[in-house]
Amino acid sequence: DAGITQSPRYKITETGRQVTLMCHQTWSHSYMFWYRQDLGHGLRLIYYSAAADITDKGEVPDGYVVSRSKTENFPLTLESATRSQTSVYFCASSAQVANTGELFFGEGSRLTVL
Amino acid sequence: ILNVEQSPQSLHVQEGDSTNFTCSFPSSNFYALHWYRWETAKSPEALFVMTLNGDEKKKGRISATLNTKEGYSYLYIKGSQPEDSATYLCALCGGATNKLIFGTGTLLAVQP
Repeated sequence: DAGITQSPRYKITETGRQVTLMCHQTWSHSYMFWYRQDLGHGLRLIYYSAAADITDKGEVPDGYVVSRSKTENFPLTLESATRSQTSVYFCASSAQVANTGELFFGEGSRLTVL
Repeated sequence: ILNVEQSPQSLHVQEGDSTNFTCSFPSSNFYALHWYRWETAKSPEALFVMTLNGDEKKKGRISATLNTKEGYSYLYIKGSQPEDSATYLCALCGGATNKLIFGTGTLLAVQP
C-alpha cells in the first residue's frame, strides 16, 4: 500500500549498540521528519530533511545521525544507544514548501534501550 | 528556539459540552500553524493548516481560529462526543527553516 511506513515497529537493544530506524514514503514528498515522543514533552523534532541530500538538525539531534540519499527514504541511526533514547519514534513527510502542507505520520517505532 | 505552548494540559468534559483549547507561539517569523488530532495507539492526523492572520477553518464540529499578530490559535469542539477523546497538538512553522515544532498537546477526555 502507498503511504509512509516505519520499520521495525518494535526494537529492544542494549546500551552502546547501533540501531537504525527506517522510514519509507511512496508519495515523493520533499520534506521528511523524525520526532520522538516522550511523556511530558509531546513530539520533539530530531532531524528533518527538505530534499534528498539536504538534512538539518531539530530540537534534540544529539546522539542521532540521518541521511537522505533517496527522496523516499529517511533512516535514523542511533550510533551508540543510551537509555535516555528509549522512546517512540515517529517519521513524517510533507509535500509543500515551508510547511503549509500537512504532515503525514508513520505508525511509530517503539525503541527500548536496556 | 520556537516555543509553542498549549493550554490546558488536560481537560475532562461531559458528552455534549463545547470546549476550546489554546495554542500560543512567538508571533515573529510566522509561516504556518498546524493542528493535529492524536488518538491513543495511533499516529497524529492533521486537522488544519493555517497560514493567514484571521484565518478560520472548520471540519464538522471542530473549528480553529488564528491570530498571528498576538501569537495564538484557538481550537473549538462543539458538542463533544466520546470519539473526540484524544490529544490535540498544535505545531508551528516559524521562519524559513521549514522546521515544524510541536506543543505538548491538550489531552481531551469526553465522558459519555
